[in-house]
Amino acid sequence: DTGVSQDPRHKITKRGQNVTFRCDPISEHNRLYWYRQTLGQGPEFLTYFQNEAQLEKSRLLSDRFSAERPKGSFSTLEIQRTEQGDSAMYLCASTLPQGPYGYTFGSGTRLTVV
Amino acid sequence: GENVEQHPSTLSVQEGDSAVIKCTYSDSASNYFPWYKQELGKRPQLIIDIRSNVGEKKDQRIAVTLNKTAKHFSLHITETQPEDSAVYFCAASGGNTGFQKLVFGTGTRLLVSP
Repeated sequence: DTGVSQDPRHKITKRGQNVTFRCDPISEHNRLYWYRQTLGQGPEFLTYFQNEAQLEKSRLLSDRFSAERPKGSFSTLEIQRTEQGDSAMYLCASTLPQGPYGYTFGSGTRLTVV
Repeated sequence: GENVEQHPSTLSVQEGDSAVIKCTYSDSASNYFPWYKQELGKRPQLIIDIRSNVGEKKDQRIAVTLNKTAKHFSLHITETQPEDSAVYFCAASGGNTGFQKLVFGTGTRLLVSP
């Protein structure tokens, strides 16, 4: 599969624990995005990278959230001290440098905080 | 920032009927409008998009129309089939929101009955 890969697919964690998700974009895509989707809602933008540079962060991304993209390849999204409100689907997407055209989304990581 | 509203939230049609989903956006500078289909438990997939320099685009049974003056755009599905059943999201990009990220609507659950 040469699409966007996300790992793990599902994560159940206890409140207060830290979790980390990984995204592997399509190899020729240098732009990588993280979105969060809660039940019954559309995806909400969290942050995006161009190569290894994090160019924009949403106000939704509190201090407990951090994202990295070392070497401009895969990306990780870490949530520290998880809260029940963090329960959601975390989607990664990638695109070519030309812009937002043709986002390719991964299958997402579904986080459940208990 | 940009705000995208989507209607209806649910839509039930008989197989073979047409379905229309409408979205409005607030930022007149937005210039890219994609539509995504998301089946249960799967990733959002781009089905069609339109840029602000055209008013209509078609791809087989799917079409999108854009009215920049009224700031609304619509998805039209003709000859619906049961496999069209899914949640459909509209999105907008560009303008003051920024060119890279997408602002999504809240989704329309389409149910096509045989």
